[in-house]
Amino acid sequence: EAQVTQNPRYLITVTGKKLTVTCSQNMNHEYMSWYRQDPGLGLRQIYYSMNVEVTDKGDVPEGYKVSRKEKRNFPLILESPSPNQTSLYFCASHELGASEAFFGQGTRLTVV
Amino acid sequence: AQTVTQSQPEMSVQEAETVTLSCTYDTSESNYYLFWYKQPPSRQMILVIRQEAYKQQNATENRFSVNFQKAAKSFSLKISDSQLGDTAMYFCAFMTGNTDKLIFGTGTRLQVFP
Repeated sequence: EAQVTQNPRYLITVTGKKLTVTCSQNMNHEYMSWYRQDPGLGLRQIYYSMNVEVTDKGDVPEGYKVSRKEKRNFPLILESPSPNQTSLYFCASHELGASEAFFGQGTRLTVV
Repeated sequence: AQTVTQSQPEMSVQEAETVTLSCTYDTSESNYYLFWYKQPPSRQMILVIRQEAYKQQNATENRFSVNFQKAAKSFSLKISDSQLGDTAMYFCAFMTGNTDKLIFGTGTRLQVFP
């Protein structure tokens, strides 16, 4: 089954404790991206990658890191989480030039 | 800057009725795609319908159809014969052929009442 898998689905952490949210896709897509969803703001892109070892900032990259060592995986790293990073996070992937993006199940992150 | 605007934060409709959700966008690109995504309480992002900008014919998927007005940069979603399962947040989104970046509107929360 074609899918994007994110883990964990729920995470509560404390300020400053490094965390990683994993994302994996099995469709051999070149393009992968991370979004955060906040009430009244829709989904905003954090980082994206067009291929292995190629990553770039989206609209709200501050406080986040990503890596793309393998085509299928695109983890999101919060080196020192802060309460303003409390949000719902989505990983997505699609073929370059194709029109449909596939989304993971979402990760609800709470930073206290 | 490319933007997507959904001016209706919340809407409600009675079961079996028809409802239209509005979306406008702004771009100078000629090659792009438009989408409506549904997000039910499960949080899953589900593609409802998509439209290629170069196609004049409006897309239709069962009870869901769009009114694509390219000159006006408008892309509204019509849901016919509304069902309780249509209750969800709906996001309008835009993707250019040049950057592959998805840009979302702020969403419209739709409640379907029995």
